[in-house]
Amino acid sequence: SAVISQKPSRDICQRGTSLTIQCQVDSQVTMMFWYRQQPGQSLTLIATANQGSEATYESGFVIDKFPISRPNLTFSTLTVSNMSPEDSSIYLCSVEREYNNEQFFGPGTRLTVL
Amino acid sequence: KQEVTQIPAALSVPEGENLVLNCSFTDSAIYNLQWFRQDPGKGLTSLLLIQSSQREQTSGRLNASLDKSSGRSTLYIAASQPGDSATYLCAVNDYGGSQGNLIFGKGTKLSVKP
Repeated sequence: SAVISQKPSRDICQRGTSLTIQCQVDSQVTMMFWYRQQPGQSLTLIATANQGSEATYESGFVIDKFPISRPNLTFSTLTVSNMSPEDSSIYLCSVEREYNNEQFFGPGTRLTVL
Repeated sequence: KQEVTQIPAALSVPEGENLVLNCSFTDSAIYNLQWFRQDPGKGLTSLLLIQSSQREQTSGRLNASLDKSSGRSTLYIAASQPGDSATYLCAVNDYGGSQGNLIFGKGTKLSVKP
């Protein structure tokens, strides 16, 4: 399985500010995703991070709020913009193994917005 | 719209007991189903992946079954240990969603007491 790291592991932020989360994979992968896990809830897909083109967002998520970069096949960033307390969640990146579509997740970034 | 349900929400068992976690999904048109483990404050660890054409997968003390026609999967844990204590998540990858969009259940929180 791929080794995935995320930075930061956790952060406490003020309302109205933005935070950029980094995801690094130890091998080249085509498919990379960003998920959100709100308190007491299960995971929800935010978007697919596409290398060389704009991310593909799921219903309810927009680029202005969650801009994503994917400069190469091993790295992606997710920015949570103009944060409010409702953005307090764990944000996780994942990658998909091509030959069997198994997904592997990073350790997550725990975000608290005051 | 695909929905995934996990029963029970929480389970407490004595060490050494065999146990079964249940997962049901509403739309049988799935690519695959994955079982994950999530430890408190951590990311997800992939346990087993079952393709839609398969009936079961085994890894060590874990066995996962899939009955696509009835929309059910079970995760069987043999001879449970305190180290098995975690939240277990079931996720389906279905034809109706975006590629890579795993639809997650809310999980079963397992506590194995010494």
